[in-house]
Amino acid sequence: EAQVTQNPRYLITVTGKKLTVTCSQNMNHEYMSWYRQDPGLGLRQIYYSMNVEVTDKGDVPEGYKVSRKEKRNFPLILESPSPNQTSLYFCASSRSGDGRGEQYFGPGTRLTVT
Amino acid sequence: GENVEQHPSTLSVQEGDSAVIKCTYSDSASNYFPWYKQELGKGPQLIIDIRSNVGEKKDQRIAVTLNKTAKHFSLHITETQPEDSAVYFCAASTSGAGSYQLTFGKGTKLSVIP
Repeated sequence: EAQVTQNPRYLITVTGKKLTVTCSQNMNHEYMSWYRQDPGLGLRQIYYSMNVEVTDKGDVPEGYKVSRKEKRNFPLILESPSPNQTSLYFCASSRSGDGRGEQYFGPGTRLTVT
Repeated sequence: GENVEQHPSTLSVQEGDSAVIKCTYSDSASNYFPWYKQELGKGPQLIIDIRSNVGEKKDQRIAVTLNKTAKHFSLHITETQPEDSAVYFCAASTSGAGSYQLTFGKGTKLSVIP
């Protein structure tokens, strides 16, 4: 089944403890992206990648890192999480390298930082 | 960067009536405008998209119109059904040399009353 998977789905952590949210797609898509969703703010793009080893900042990249060493994986890294990073995170992928066209979203990761 | 405004934030309609959601964007260079539907507990899913060389696009009960001069685009849902109840997001693409970014509106919660 074609899909985008994220792990974990739920995570509660403490301030400053490094964490990684994994994202994997099995559709051989060129483009991958991370978004955060907050009440009243909609979806905001954190980082995106147009191809392996190519990443770029979105609207809210502060406090996050990403890497794209393989085409299928695009992990989101929080080196020192803070409470303002408590949010619902979505990974997405798209066949087109420029992201135009349908983006397939994962199921989401709900992160709470205390 | 791009700014997308979406209205209304909530919308209630009777089953069978039409629903209209409107978005405006700021960057005149934007040329790709998708609409996503998000059901409770799930990731967003593309329902329709339009490119700047087209003024209108229709897919069964869903249509999108684009006015590039005024920099606004709208989603029209006719003959609404209870399963249309969800949060809808508009988005606009911003691109530069070798980059691509998708900016979302804040969302509209549509409730279809049986």
